[in-house]
Amino acid sequence: AQSVTQLDSQVPVFEEAPVELRCNYSSSVSVYLFWYVQYPNQGLQLLLKYLSGSTLVESINGFEAEFNKSQTSFHLRKPSVHISDTAEYFCAVRPSGYSTLTFGKGTMLLVSP
Amino acid sequence: SQTIHQWPATLVQPVGSPLSLECTVEGTSNPNLYWYRQAAGRGLQLLFYSVGIGQISSEVPQNLSASRPQDRQFILSSKKLLLSDSGFYLCAWSVNQGPYEQYFGPGTRLTVT
Repeated sequence: AQSVTQLDSQVPVFEEAPVELRCNYSSSVSVYLFWYVQYPNQGLQLLLKYLSGSTLVESINGFEAEFNKSQTSFHLRKPSVHISDTAEYFCAVRPSGYSTLTFGKGTMLLVSP
Repeated sequence: SQTIHQWPATLVQPVGSPLSLECTVEGTSNPNLYWYRQAAGRGLQLLFYSVGIGQISSEVPQNLSASRPQDRQFILSSKKLLLSDSGFYLCAWSVNQGPYEQYFGPGTRLTVT
């Protein structure tokens, strides 16, 4: 069975500081990987995805994530955060042959001035 | 483009009352459909998913049920609500092949009193 671990339940940072949200997964087969963002009282929005090819994927709002197969990780990074980035971030994995996603428990990113 | 709708947006129901939440998708055909529950401070729990009309897979035993009467309609029901059914209910869709990235609706906030 597959699993996703997001070790940090909350990450407080100051505005304009860099941030890294960690995600590790376990799977016996190849995987697709996703990061979602959820603002308060809203649904989840797909932030970025790794399907194949380049291990570094980027979103339109400055986030990036790197797939590391040997470390089974897919950490999310942003070099300079904004107040508006305050939200909960979920990592998800879909192993090859499955039609459902497995989500981590989420990391709350708290950006303060 | 594709859109996903959920209603109602909020609902307050007494214990023991019935429940019906509706989800519809526009702009795509034969999608996979998913129901999740998000309890306060917890991650996403997959409740049901469907790969076609009348085809429902249940992920956890509970007093909830799901139905898919039409290709792009997914309904979550209960005959008698429990206090523990309170939470944020999210519907999602994906294409039925490929990476299965999911797109979420705005959610329904259910409070059982």
